Amino acid sequence: DAKTTQPTSMDCAEGRAANLPCNHSTISGNEYVYWYRQIHSQGPQYIIHGLKNNETNEMASLIITEDRKSSTLILPHATLRDTAVYYCIVFMNNNAGNMLTFGGGTRLMVKP
Amino acid sequence: NAGVTQTPKFRVLKTGQSMTLLCAQDMNHEYMYWYRQDPGMGLRLIHYSVGEGTTAKGEVPDGYNVSRLKKQNFLLGLESAAPSQTSVYFCASRDPTYEQYFGPGTRLTVT
Repeated sequence: DAKTTQPTSMDCAEGRAANLPCNHSTISGNEYVYWYRQIHSQGPQYIIHGLKNNETNEMASLIITEDRKSSTLILPHATLRDTAVYYCIVFMNNNAGNMLTFGGGTRLMVKP
Repeated sequence: NAGVTQTPKFRVLKTGQSMTLLCAQDMNHEYMYWYRQDPGMGLRLIHYSVGEGTTAKGEVPDGYNVSRLKKQNFLLGLESAAPSQTSVYFCASRDPTYEQYFGPGTRLTVT
């Protein structure tokens, strides 16, 4: 599975959009981009995933560049409860166990 | 649905003691996983299961054993606990869309 690179930490003002970048320059054609987050002491929570097209759900938007070498997770109106570590993960959707490989993630701090 | 539950929430062991962590899911998922998370680190996969009666090794399987006798339960065993196994343990199950659902975690301290 391709590796990802994320900034260690980011700050965002409450009510503003939080844009979290992720580089995955070695991603292969059949690997998806997944985003999870982990709020302090809790289990990780699924946010969104995509292959080529941009995706949006009730939690966030995912923008994937045309060459698929990077992506951005957008929280449109960040709240204090969005303070968490955000993990960008790439892997293939097959039936070989689908192990999620978690890197260090980005620690997002939403400030009042 | 309760989702994914883990028992116990906290445990303190002495070196050499054994214990079993229980993970249960009520979503009828085939795939289940055990991860560990050390302070300031991402999660690392210990073992996983692709269905009842099957298990496989993950990234860091040494010192652990698992069993999946029933589809809804995935047990993680420590035969002889070591201080290096002090960690937070998370269980997860996977749905057909490949989304993983995580339990609340078990905090284990080995002294």
